[in-house]
Amino acid sequence: EAGVTQSPTHLIKTRGQQATLRCSPISGHTSVYWYQQALGLGLQFLLWYDEGEERNRGNFPPRFSGRQFPNYSSELNVNALELEDSALYLCASSLGQGNTEAFFGQGTRLTVV
Amino acid sequence: KQEVTQIPAALSVPEGENLVLNCSFTDSAIYNLQWFRQDPGKGLTSLLLIQSSQREQTSGRLNASLDKSSGRSTLYIAASQPGDSATYLCAVLTGSARQLTFGSGTQLTVLP
Repeated sequence: EAGVTQSPTHLIKTRGQQATLRCSPISGHTSVYWYQQALGLGLQFLLWYDEGEERNRGNFPPRFSGRQFPNYSSELNVNALELEDSALYLCASSLGQGNTEAFFGQGTRLTVV
Repeated sequence: KQEVTQIPAALSVPEGENLVLNCSFTDSAIYNLQWFRQDPGKGLTSLLLIQSSQREQTSGRLNASLDKSSGRSTLYIAASQPGDSATYLCAVLTGSARQLTFGSGTQLTVLP
């Protein structure tokens, strides 16, 4: 069974541009979570989608947005990129809103120059 | 607001030693606690999940315990190997928003 897959693996963008990151959850999982792991800052919660709806967002500006598609895959969009957005972006999926185990992908390394 | 602390921040041990990693959290109203492993620049690998009603979970050489009332969890690694070298993260699931809050991790180095 395939795990959580993220694409691209690496992404280099210029300040001010937009970045789109993609995530495919494990088959059967309806919840998708996005986290940012910037150097020295630990894992910060970004967004949670379940059944196509945004259920919760972390303390990030509105230029961080996303959506979940009918097949439960998700994309994260970051507009007006800033140098501080450089980080490893991790996606996780779980079965749903219950107290279930979260499985993470390998991440997308975003570098803003 | 839930806060998760992991001690120590870094640990270096010779191969074969048994070791304990600690995790504490401020809000005991958790749904579950997960331990993860992260290799440099990689994603997170789930090691163990403990539901709030459970006291411990075991997988191979790993054993995790949970004391919800005191807000503590420990990850015990038996007979450590160089391949165990990684950062170990604990995370708790809390709130109606089902948000995972992570500790800052323990960087483990097992010396051959």
